Amino acid sequence: EDQVTQSPEALRLQEGESSSLNCSYTVSGLRGLFWYRQDPGKGPEFLFTLYSAGEEKEKERLKATLTKKESFLHITAPKPEDSATYLCAVPHSNSGYALNFGKGTSLLVTP
Amino acid sequence: SAVISQKPSRDICQRGTSLTIQCQVDSQVTMMFWYRQQPGQSLTLIATANQGSEATYESGFVIDKFPISRPNLTFSTLTVSNMSPEDSSIYLCSVKDSGDYNEQFFGPGTRLTVL
Repeated sequence: EDQVTQSPEALRLQEGESSSLNCSYTVSGLRGLFWYRQDPGKGPEFLFTLYSAGEEKEKERLKATLTKKESFLHITAPKPEDSATYLCAVPHSNSGYALNFGKGTSLLVTP
Repeated sequence: SAVISQKPSRDICQRGTSLTIQCQVDSQVTMMFWYRQQPGQSLTLIATANQGSEATYESGFVIDKFPISRPNLTFSTLTVSNMSPEDSSIYLCSVKDSGDYNEQFFGPGTRLTVL
């Protein structure tokens, strides 16, 4: 069964303190790895899709990278507004276009 | 990306009753999905809503408990039937548009509390 594991479960950073979130996956024939941001009480907001090892994508203070076994979401000089839960997902093994999500990393950035 | 709305945004229901959640998209989309997010947990796929035919349910979810309709390419409903407190969750619809990429976009969710 395809698995998506995220670490750490929770991360507390001071404003400006850069760090990385990890998403490891076991999927046969990866058809994309997806990163989402979820704020409390809201639906997930799409951030990035990565399709092949070595691929990188950036958006403001976020950069996502992909290897054959894991993906990293690097957060550079975070601000309090970056506080959220970050979810990664891979295509669902049974339903081709649905997503199988990890449990997420809850990020808190303090001033 | 598509703009997705859900109704109601939240509800508090009594055990044994049913609630129908609506998902409306501002453009035609090829695929629509329903997910559940239990308190403190990640998202779990309930079913794929198929236009003009019966929904495709994931293991652990059945049509009698979660009937789904999708009458056209912009609208779907999920009913949570004969509710129990264990059904208290956030219910989310998502869509994939007709493009080549697999990105999905989510509605704001419906927060359901069953007493």
